Order: sequence, then structure tokens, then C-alpha cells
Amino acid sequence: SQQGEEDPQALSIQEGENATMNCSYKTSINNLQWYRQNSGRGLVHLILIRSNEREKHSGRLRVTLDTSKKSSSLLITASRAADTASYFCATPPAGANSKLTFGKGITLSVRP
Amino acid sequence: SAVISQKPSRDICQRGTSLTIQCQVDSQVTMMFWYRQQPGQSLTLIATANQGSEATYESGFVIDKFPISRPNLTFSTLTVSNMSPEDSSIYLCSGTGLAGGPPQYFGPGTRLTVL
Repeated sequence: SQQGEEDPQALSIQEGENATMNCSYKTSINNLQWYRQNSGRGLVHLILIRSNEREKHSGRLRVTLDTSKKSSSLLITASRAADTASYFCATPPAGANSKLTFGKGITLSVRP
Repeated sequence: SAVISQKPSRDICQRGTSLTIQCQVDSQVTMMFWYRQQPGQSLTLIATANQGSEATYESGFVIDKFPISRPNLTFSTLTVSNMSPEDSSIYLCSGTGLAGGPPQYFGPGTRLTVL
């Protein structure tokens, strides 16, 4: 069953703008991870935030976690055409740190 | 980190036949997984590939349909048996590091089309 649900499902922005993607989940988690998938390729891990963290940064990425609302957001600042991809949030079930349940994904298009 | 390769990258198969997908990791990984990604959809976990023992399958997936082998810490195969058009998907393998925790490293996927 789907654990994470991202919104919006599709996002189209101009290069240089910021992109915000949201993810909601249903059960308690130890961590939440964001992955990127370029068209026709495998997934690349972007960032992990643990349940006791509220915000984390990595380069142009900023992720927040609100465990009371069971939601997370991924912000990509100063977007580039190369950021065009599908983005997934993923969570491991409690007690199974490796298995991942993926959300439906968000398709981000960055127009040059 | 780990670099994962898959063979074949894509294939077109006839219904009723079987296809074996190979997954090779350039370093030892503790956990290996197989996922299915149907067109335009998210990833669904098929099974955890266990070294030297039977794979652990998720609900809705069975060994007769998706036999999996993992003879060592760097290699695994997934067979899609008795294929039907509904099996047309991208199949991805992934692995974790030796510590077993996140992140997962993914192969590029195998795009399967069943006619």
C-alpha cells in the first residue's frame, strides 16, 4: 500500500524559480527520504531526514518534516533545467530500516 | 556508495515466456531489493533478496512468478515467469550499504515489454 502521497502530482516552473513539493504519510516513521528519477533511469537518493529532525539542507535542497502532521516538504531553490525529473518520497516501516514504501511521485518540469 | 548495473536494459518478450534480469553491485551490500514500476506509476517492492536463502516476498508477489536468487553479496537475479502483457514494467534492483541502513542505491532499471 502507498505510504507517501506527494502533491502536486505535476509541477512546471521557470528556470531560476523555487520548486516546493509536499509529501504526506500515514504511519509512524524513523526517517523520510527523497529520491529523484530522471526519465528512463534509476533512482538517486537526495536527502534523508530523521524523525527527530525538523529541517535539513543539502546544497540547493531543503527538506522539512512535521511529524505531528505526518508531512514533509522538499524545496529546490534556484531551479535548473537539469532538475527536470520525477521526485519521490519514501519511508521505511517501523522496525524495518531498509525496506521502503514510495509515494506516487511528482513530475517536475523546469523550463529553460 | 555502490554502483549497480542491470542486464538487460530493456527487452521485448512474447507472452508465456520468461526473462531473467541480472543485478550486479560493484561492492558488497547487505540488503538487496527488487522493485516494479509500472508505466507512469511509483515503485512497488516485489521482494527482499536474501543471500543464500529464499527471498522474502511482499503481499501480492509469489516465488513461482518471480523467482529470485542471490548467491553472494554482490549479485542477484529476478526471473519474470510465464509473462503476460500486465508484466510490462520497469524492474529495478537496489542495495544498501554494509551497515544495512539508508540510503538505497538503485540500478538503472530493466524496461520490459510483453507482447
